[in-house]
Amino acid sequence: GENVEQHPSTLSVQEGDSAVIKCTYSDSASNYFPWYKQELGKGPQLIIDIRSNVGEKKDQRIAVTLNKTAKHFSLHITETQPEDSAVYFCAARLQGAQKLVFGQGTRLTINP
Amino acid sequence: EPEVTQTPSHQVTQMGQEVILRCVPISNHLYFYWYRQILGQKVEFLVSFYNNEISEKSEIFDDQFSVERPDGSNFTLKIRSTKLEDSAMYFCASSFGLANEQFFGPGTRLTVL
Repeated sequence: GENVEQHPSTLSVQEGDSAVIKCTYSDSASNYFPWYKQELGKGPQLIIDIRSNVGEKKDQRIAVTLNKTAKHFSLHITETQPEDSAVYFCAARLQGAQKLVFGQGTRLTINP
Repeated sequence: EPEVTQTPSHQVTQMGQEVILRCVPISNHLYFYWYRQILGQKVEFLVSFYNNEISEKSEIFDDQFSVERPDGSNFTLKIRSTKLEDSAMYFCASSFGLANEQFFGPGTRLTVL
């Protein structure tokens, strides 16, 4: 079945700098890749997603890139702010399947 | 903005007891899901539910687990005889369609003693 690996497990950046979190997936039949942000005491919140028919998607300070050949996708956060501090999860879904397969999560800390 | 809600936020139970975790999905969504996250581990898929039946389930979702949509708004996960290893955060999610985004609730923390 599908397996998703996420790196790094923790990331600390200075406020205003950029943060990049990377994920790899194992099954080339996966075609949907969402990113979730989880703040303390809350459930995962969808922040951006990308489908396999595009290579990049951007929403204000957040962007996701997908390399289907290498089977990896990345989350890019620019001009980081303290409120970006959270745990971020990547996930993948096989075409026609319903379940999301999650990465291990990255704890992002923005230092003022 | 519509959101998925879950109750209770924290449930403590004794091993061997039955628990029911409750969820109210977003009102116009048609697909419903349960995931769990054991402390320090990945979020894992348990089951998906569509048109009043299970549409996909994982190996974790054995005979101890069941799901139900008892009315037009609630979606429940029942664990018949809880084990210590069932202690986890349980998340409910819903989506409008199969290919649509899944929206998660805040979770229920289940502690089995």
